[in-house]
Parts: sequence; structure tokens; C-alpha cells
Amino acid sequence: EAGVAQSPRYKIIEKRQSVAFWCNPISGHATLYWYQQILGQGPKLLIQFQNNGVVDDSQLPKDRFSAERLKGVDSTLKIQPAKLEDSAVYLCASSLYQLATFTGELFFGEGSRLTVL
Amino acid sequence: GENVEQHPSTLSVQEGDSAVIKCTYSDSASNYFPWYKQELGKRPQLIIDIRSNVGEKKDQRIAVTLNKTAKHFSLHITETQPEDSAVYFCAASPSSNTGKLIFGQGTTLQVKP
Repeated sequence: EAGVAQSPRYKIIEKRQSVAFWCNPISGHATLYWYQQILGQGPKLLIQFQNNGVVDDSQLPKDRFSAERLKGVDSTLKIQPAKLEDSAVYLCASSLYQLATFTGELFFGEGSRLTVL
Repeated sequence: GENVEQHPSTLSVQEGDSAVIKCTYSDSASNYFPWYKQELGKRPQLIIDIRSNVGEKKDQRIAVTLNKTAKHFSLHITETQPEDSAVYFCAASPSSNTGKLIFGQGTTLQVKP
């Protein structure tokens, strides 16, 4: 089966510019996650969708980050304006998680590496 | 808030030796504890997981133990091989039970031939 697809793989921008990342989850996976992984750290959840609804966005810097999941499938994560500290790998993941009981593992994409100069 | 601490941050062993990575979590209601392996430049992949109703789980050379009272869990790799070299992340699913995972900081394991 096809895995989680992400693009672009690499992006270099200057601070205050904007950037968008795209994710296509595994077919049939209702839950989609965006994680931020700063070099040398563990992934940090930014936002979690269940179908096209937001389950958790408590760690999303909403003044500059936005995300959407149209039609409950693909998702985009946008940063505007970018700051130096946004340099990181943005990992998209999907799962078969069902409400009330966590039943599935997270399947990660290859990630989008952002460098902000 | 919810937190997962992981130690050590780096670990170097000789091929054939055992490696142990330890994690502690803050949310006593957490009920799911996976371990992910991330090779350089690649995506994290699940290698083993354990649920709160089990104390130990083993899969060939890897095993995970859970102590709910102490709120800690550990990954054990026996007979290490060079291909085990990678970054290992522990994670915990907090009591909000939404499928969210809180990850530890990661352990870089180097297995020397």
C-alpha cells in the first residue's frame, strides 16, 4: 500500500516569507497529524484532524501557522510569516485511530525540511 | 502539562552488547506506549508498543517493559547489530485519549562493529 506522501521535501525561505506543505495520508486513514521536529528533539504535535475536523491544535502557533484538511483527505500546513525558529522538519502522519480507544500506529511521511534564513 | 522524559540522549555500545533506553511520563492515565526508530534522514517507524494492561512485551531482539506505579517504561535491545544504529523515540498517549502521542527527546544509539 502507498505510504504517507509529503511535499516539498526541502524548502529554503527567508524570514517573514510564507511557505505551505502538503500531505496525502494513507487511503482510509481518518486521523491526520502534523508534527514539528526541531533538530535533536522529538516530534511535537502541532495539529490533529479526525476526518476534516480539528481534534487538537493546542500547540499550534495560531498567529502564524494554519492548517486545513479539505474533504477529510489531503491536508496543507501553512506558515506566514516564517521566523528563524520555524526551521525544522514538518512530519505528517496518519492513523486508523478510532475514538475512545487508540487502536492504530502512526504512519509518518518522509517529512518536509524547512530552513528559514 | 503532559511530558515524556527520555534518557540517555546518546548511547554507544559494541556490537553484540545490550542497549537500554528509559522513559518516564507525567500523565498517570496514559495507556499506550510505543517506540519509534528513525534512521538518518528517514521517517520514524514503529518498532514495538505496549499497553497499560501489560507489563512486558518482546519481539525477537527487542523488548519493552512498563512500570505503571513508577510511570516509566524501557526499551531493551539485545545482541545489538550495526543496523540498530538510529535515533529511538519513546512516546505516550495521554489521558485525553484522542490518539495524540507525546514524544520523548530521542536517544541516538550507535552500535560499533
